[in-house]
Amino acid sequence: AQSVTQPDIHITVSEGASLELRCNYSYGATPYLFWYVQSPGQGLQLLLKYFSGDTLVQGIKGFEAEFKRSQSSFNLRKPSVHWSDAAEYFCAVGDFNAGNMLTFGGGTRLMVKP
Amino acid sequence: NAGVMQNPRHLVRRRGQEARLRCSPMKGHSHVYWYRQLPEEGLKFMVYLQKENIIDESGMPKERFSAEFPKEGPSILRIQQVVRGDSAAYFCASSAETEAFFGQGTRLTVV
Repeated sequence: AQSVTQPDIHITVSEGASLELRCNYSYGATPYLFWYVQSPGQGLQLLLKYFSGDTLVQGIKGFEAEFKRSQSSFNLRKPSVHWSDAAEYFCAVGDFNAGNMLTFGGGTRLMVKP
Repeated sequence: NAGVMQNPRHLVRRRGQEARLRCSPMKGHSHVYWYRQLPEEGLKFMVYLQKENIIDESGMPKERFSAEFPKEGPSILRIQQVVRGDSAAYFCASSAETEAFFGQGTRLTVV
């Protein structure tokens, strides 16, 4: 069974600083990987996804993520954080042998200092 | 094309009552998924449905919880005899192929 680990429960960065959120997965085959963002009281918005091909994936809002098979990682990065990026971020792996079921990590709550 | 619509957005129930959560998938999507998010936790898969069929309910509690996706109308997640521990945000997602789109969720509070 697949699993996703987000080691950092909370991260605080200063506005304008760079950001990296860690995600490690366990999956038997080639994974389909996703990053979602959730603002307080809201649903989930897809930031980016990896299915195949180029291991560096560009997403919305200036985010990118790099798939590293050797490390079983899919870390999310942003070069310069804005105050509006404060939210909860979830990494997920998709199992398309079981429909499109997603397994989520526990989430990382990002706080941005002015 | 409207997104995934869930209603109600907020639902308060007393212990022992029934909760019905509705989800209308995006137009053209035939796959519906329900997830539960407990406070301060990630989302946990509950059930995967296609029209009139339950494909995978491995994440559903064995008692009190049921889900359906009828030929016509929205998908329904039903929780009978709710308890305080059912208080959570319940999210529905729909997909056609590989990408799932999420609704805004229903926040259930059991008092």
